[in-house]
Amino acid sequence: ILNVEQSPQSLHVQEGDSTNFTCSFPSSNFYALHWYRWETAKSPEALFVMTLNGDEKKKGRISATLNTKEGYSYLYIKGSQPEDSATYLCAVSSNTGKLIFGQGTTLQVKP
Amino acid sequence: DGGITQSPKYLFRKEGQNVTLSCEQNLNHDAMYWYRQDPGQGLRLIYYSQIVNDFQKGDIAEGYSVSREKKESFPLTVTSAQKNPTAFYLCASSPWTGTAFGSYNSPLHFGNGTRLTVT
Repeated sequence: ILNVEQSPQSLHVQEGDSTNFTCSFPSSNFYALHWYRWETAKSPEALFVMTLNGDEKKKGRISATLNTKEGYSYLYIKGSQPEDSATYLCAVSSNTGKLIFGQGTTLQVKP
Repeated sequence: DGGITQSPKYLFRKEGQNVTLSCEQNLNHDAMYWYRQDPGQGLRLIYYSQIVNDFQKGDIAEGYSVSREKKESFPLTVTSAQKNPTAFYLCASSPWTGTAFGSYNSPLHFGNGTRLTVT
């Protein structure tokens, strides 16, 4: 089974700080990478789906990059706000077609 | 508004009893999925369905069963054969893009989940 690793497991930052976390995956048989944000008491919400090496996507203050050759993706949050507090999930699809999720990175932004 | 509804939010059962978790979507999505979350682990795929009257086992299907009689509905039954049923269960759906598996490049839409406790 494809192994997707996210780091760090948790993160505490001050409001206004910029931060980033990592999703690592085997580079062979890669099809797509998904990022989701999961706020407490809500359902996970899709942020980005990326498929091509070098892809960069942006949504407001959040952006993501993808390196399929070395098997990693970074999620960046610029100027963190308390409402960014959530668990960020990475999921990767390989040639099996199934989405495999990492354990998530839990971000807490202190006002 | 379109979305996915899971019910109930909390479910309590005695060991040895089967229990069915409901998942309904009005997004007109072909593909539906069931995931399980345990502390410290990523979401793990239980079953998925790309089309009505068809479904496939995911990575942890043992002790579970599903049906897909309608496009909108994908109920999950946790049977007494499931050794560790206490967990948080998430249902999701996505458009099927015509590839072997819809979630390849289509984002998943999730429900709010059902927390099952078996004692």
